[in-house]
Amino acid sequence: DAGITQSPRHKVTETGTPVTLRCHQTENHRYMYWYRQDPGHGLRLIHYSYGVKDTDKGEVSDGYSVSRSKTEDFLLTLESATSSQTSVYFCAISGVPDRPNTEAFFGQGTRLTVV
Amino acid sequence: AQSVAQPEDQVNVAEGNPLTVKCTYSVSGNPYLFWYVQYPNRGLQFLLKYITGDNLVKGSYGFEAEFNKSQTSFHLKKPSALVSDSALYFCAVRDMNNNAGNMLTFGGGTRLMVKP
Repeated sequence: DAGITQSPRHKVTETGTPVTLRCHQTENHRYMYWYRQDPGHGLRLIHYSYGVKDTDKGEVSDGYSVSRSKTEDFLLTLESATSSQTSVYFCAISGVPDRPNTEAFFGQGTRLTVV
Repeated sequence: AQSVAQPEDQVNVAEGNPLTVKCTYSVSGNPYLFWYVQYPNRGLQFLLKYITGDNLVKGSYGFEAEFNKSQTSFHLKKPSALVSDSALYFCAVRDMNNNAGNMLTFGGGTRLMVKP
């Protein structure tokens, strides 16, 4: 899966607790993305990064924050988890330095359940 | 804002028959279009893309897609379906924000069921 690792793969957490999901890449891609997948909605962008310490909001960013302290890692934090954040979360990468327009590659996903 | 529509939640086809999964889009400017496939409990796998050039794009696993600018469509096709093609298919368009690489807007997905 294009050198992308998401952890954990599955998590159950309680309402109100903070949760951090990790995306790690070994491909030196510039851009990294967090999407959530919900039935009927396809995938929706939460946040993205266009470089170390450079991030921006996506379509459904409320209740989420991100950090990218090095090229390889992109962290997604749910500041205080709610049941509406129960979803499958996907990390994606794109844009190697010599081929900036390559397609995006996706990780295996993290299934998060908030109870 | 750009958008993608996949009008069919599910498409059923018999093995060996041709299949079409429909996608229409709305963007300002020239579209960059993609198809991805998702098998159960897996991430999305890239199938094909249209950036420019020939309107008929060939991709992985025998799939192809036809770009139609006048109808703003990018339908996915395969001449002869296999049971193993059964999966969830997503059409997507690239955001034209130059700072975002291949940031994508997705359709809602179409489940393809191929029956023996």
